[in-house]
Amino acid sequence: EVQLVESGGVVVQPGGSLRLSCAASGFTFDDFAMHWVRQAPGKGLEWVSLVNWDARSTYYADSVKGRFTISRDNSKSSLYLQMNSLRPEDTALYYCVKDNSLGAFDFWGQGTMVTVSS
Amino acid sequence: DIVMTQSPDSLAVSLGERATINCRSSQSVLYSFNNKNYLAWYQQKPGQSPRLLIYSASTRESGVPDRFSGSGSGTDFTLTISSLQAEDVAVYYCQQYYTTPRTFGQGTKLEIK
Repeated sequence: EVQLVESGGVVVQPGGSLRLSCAASGFTFDDFAMHWVRQAPGKGLEWVSLVNWDARSTYYADSVKGRFTISRDNSKSSLYLQMNSLRPEDTALYYCVKDNSLGAFDFWGQGTMVTVSS
Repeated sequence: DIVMTQSPDSLAVSLGERATINCRSSQSVLYSFNNKNYLAWYQQKPGQSPRLLIYSASTRESGVPDRFSGSGSGTDFTLTISSLQAEDVAVYYCQQYYTTPRTFGQGTKLEIK
């Protein structure tokens, strides 16, 4: 059974930093690209970032480019999101998401909540 | 960026009736080399994570009931629920994965009439 378990979400002040983690199990982690997707309270889904299977290629939404860094450790079946210079508009539930190798998002974690507030 | 626009924003349908949700992309998401549309549909029930229903515009994900179907090509797509069940109350999103940034529609809230 595929499992994606996020952690690291907390309340942080504007300008602060945070690192989210996602522990993956139930599939061959290094066979698949992985994503972070976020959802602000009461709002829709926003794609944040993508890392390919070997971490050689990464992509970001314009809203986070230059502030967030996605990474992965295939030896630990783990995905990460380093978030710097956080803004109130980054407040959201952050989902770790598995790519189905065709580009669709076939498994989602339960999410970890990040709140940026003074 | 490819803009995804869903219609309607909300929809109320009687149990057992058909529900239809539309999605339009600002440019084609049909990949000519393999003739596949890079379009997916997701269901998000209250308090839950999204669930993949349909990918490649019309391929049902494993375990998804056959009352859910997807159609369309290029820039215009439709998600149809042939006979609405109570457990189908949710917000539905379309998404393109033709290019980055991956983009979602704004969501369509489906309720029981």
